[in-house]
Amino acid sequence: GAVVSQHPSRVICKSGTSVKIECRSLDFQATTMFWYRQFPKQSLMLMATSNEGSKATYEQGVEKDKFLINHASLTLSTLTVTSAHPEDSSFYICSAIRGFYEQYFGPGTRLTVT
Amino acid sequence: SQQGEEDPQALSIQEGENATMNCSYKTSINNLQWYRQNSGRGLVHLILIRSNEREKHSGRLRVTLDTSKKSSSLLITASRAADTASYFCATDGEGGKLIFGQGTELSVKP
Repeated sequence: GAVVSQHPSRVICKSGTSVKIECRSLDFQATTMFWYRQFPKQSLMLMATSNEGSKATYEQGVEKDKFLINHASLTLSTLTVTSAHPEDSSFYICSAIRGFYEQYFGPGTRLTVT
Repeated sequence: SQQGEEDPQALSIQEGENATMNCSYKTSINNLQWYRQNSGRGLVHLILIRSNEREKHSGRLRVTLDTSKKSSSLLITASRAADTASYFCATDGEGGKLIFGQGTELSVKP
């Protein structure tokens, strides 16, 4: 099956710093990728839709200046959490669409802000 | 935003028993999918059922869909300890985005 990777798998950073998370589709091209956030014991909440070559579309309540998304190529989307704070600590998961509706998920990135 | 509710929120059963999880959603859909997530890990796709289908099987999994009630159920038969995980339903939204239910945390005791 299709493979989507995320890097890093875990990251710990200090409050006020920025963290970049990469999402790559390894064996297919994805014009659309999605970023989700998951707090402990909760479901996945869609943060934004990342479109190659255009600006990301953010869900209501998600600060676009805080969560910068860049979809620079058909296989790579990055999420940068700027000026991270402890409340940004979460599990961030990306997914990529192959074809019309097949969506493949990355393994997730655990962000801890101290 | 969440699409709907899943119940139960948590389910604990013995190995060999069947586990049934339910999902309700609010808007019309083209398809509904079920995913499994082991603790702290990514999602594993289990099964997709289209809006014109009523039932679908895959191994020990059986999914039903009732579009008139906007609900779906996932049945895992003859459960195993390895089935312990969280299970989420997800409906298709605009532009391919998925809208997830709240999830059911399943614990299968050996």
